Amino acid sequence: AQSVSQHNHHVILSEAASLELGCNYSYGGTVNLFWYVQYPGQHLQLLLKYFSGDPLVKGIKGFEAEFIKSKFSFNLRKPSVQWSDTAEYFCAVTPADTGRRALTFGSGTRLQVQP
Amino acid sequence: DGGITQSPKYLFRKEGQNVTLSCEQNLNHDAMYWYRQDPGQGLRLIYYSQIVNDFQKGDIAEGYSVSREKKESFPLTVTSAQKNPTAFYLCASSRTGGGNEKLFFGSGTQLSVL
Repeated sequence: AQSVSQHNHHVILSEAASLELGCNYSYGGTVNLFWYVQYPGQHLQLLLKYFSGDPLVKGIKGFEAEFIKSKFSFNLRKPSVQWSDTAEYFCAVTPADTGRRALTFGSGTRLQVQP
Repeated sequence: DGGITQSPKYLFRKEGQNVTLSCEQNLNHDAMYWYRQDPGQGLRLIYYSQIVNDFQKGDIAEGYSVSREKKESFPLTVTSAQKNPTAFYLCASSRTGGGNEKLFFGSGTQLSVL
């Protein structure tokens, strides 16, 4: 079965700092990869996704993520964070070839951006 | 206004009691999911249904049961066999169950044990 590891549990940054949140998955086959975000008091929403093609994907609000197959990683990046990026971020994976077609989520990273 | 409605927002369970969490969607989505969210553990899959009248166990199905008799409804019952039910429960849906579709989430139900 697939699993997802997010090693940064709580990240505190100042506004305008650069962000990189780590995500590693374990699954030997082809995968679909996602980042979801949960802003305070709001529903979980999709930030970006990767299915195939260009391993660098761009999402909403200036976020991007890079799929590195050899490292089983899908790290989330943003060049300059804003206070409004304060939220919890979840990486998720599904197998694209076979197996369970429901998202497996990581434990989440809480990002706190200080003004 | 399309979306997913979860009710109630807060629910309290007594020892030995079964409780049912409601999840309704008007998005005409085939697939629906139940996740449990605990602090520091992210979201863990309880059950999912790729199509009406069918569902599969997730990673932590013990102590829970579901039904999918209608496309728009996917209720979750937390039975007395679930020894640690206190958690935040999230329902989600996707257009299909292929695993490559965006999930739409409800606002959640906080379940606590009295």
